[in-house]
Amino acid sequence: TQLLEQSPQFLSIQEGENLTVYCNSSSVFSSLQWYRQEPGEGPVLLVTVVTGGEVKKLKRLTFQFGDARKDSSLHITAAQTGDTGLYLCAGLLIQGAQKLVFGQGTRLTINP
Amino acid sequence: DVKVTQSSRYLVKRTGEKVFLECVQDMDHENMFWYRQDPGLGLRLIYFSYDVKMKEKGDIPEGYSVSREKKERFSLILESASTNQTSMYLCASSPPAGNTGELFFGEGSRLTVL
Repeated sequence: TQLLEQSPQFLSIQEGENLTVYCNSSSVFSSLQWYRQEPGEGPVLLVTVVTGGEVKKLKRLTFQFGDARKDSSLHITAAQTGDTGLYLCAGLLIQGAQKLVFGQGTRLTINP
Repeated sequence: DVKVTQSSRYLVKRTGEKVFLECVQDMDHENMFWYRQDPGLGLRLIYFSYDVKMKEKGDIPEGYSVSREKKERFSLILESASTNQTSMYLCASSPPAGNTGELFFGEGSRLTVL
């Protein structure tokens, strides 16, 4: 059973379109991160959200942490081919020993 | 520029061989981690270490061991490689407890076991 469910797992859209990727759980997280990974490389941290309801913007990317700190979304406006990659969410569990759990990832392809 | 460096980007080994994957970080981080990444399964934690000479099992430690003799170096060892250990291996580091869990990853080591 996946503790952190990411959807969709695959997404292929045209350049200029908007998209949203979701990360959902029944567990509460003290923080949640989004990473982007390009083929053959390691994941690179994009953002960390820590407060319920928090919204962070990184150019055309908007990240939101749910009010109950159980879910998060990543919205990309006017996608570009350079946004292509694997997007991973990861949450730090609030209970017990600090444990980071990862979603399965969303493989995003932006077509020219 | 802070960095996590993995010694080998690509390795091909035969079943039964001993495999060493090395990872070095220059950020003076206490915490270091080894993950493997497989399609459809995401990242799975193999082992982690919160201090020198200290190691803890992750979710899938079977068939692996680790060594942390120095703060900056964390090694993953496959005592006798098997084909089901063909995977992308990712090393990561993070600052000490009390942080928000952010990880800094190396570029990955793609291991193929024949």
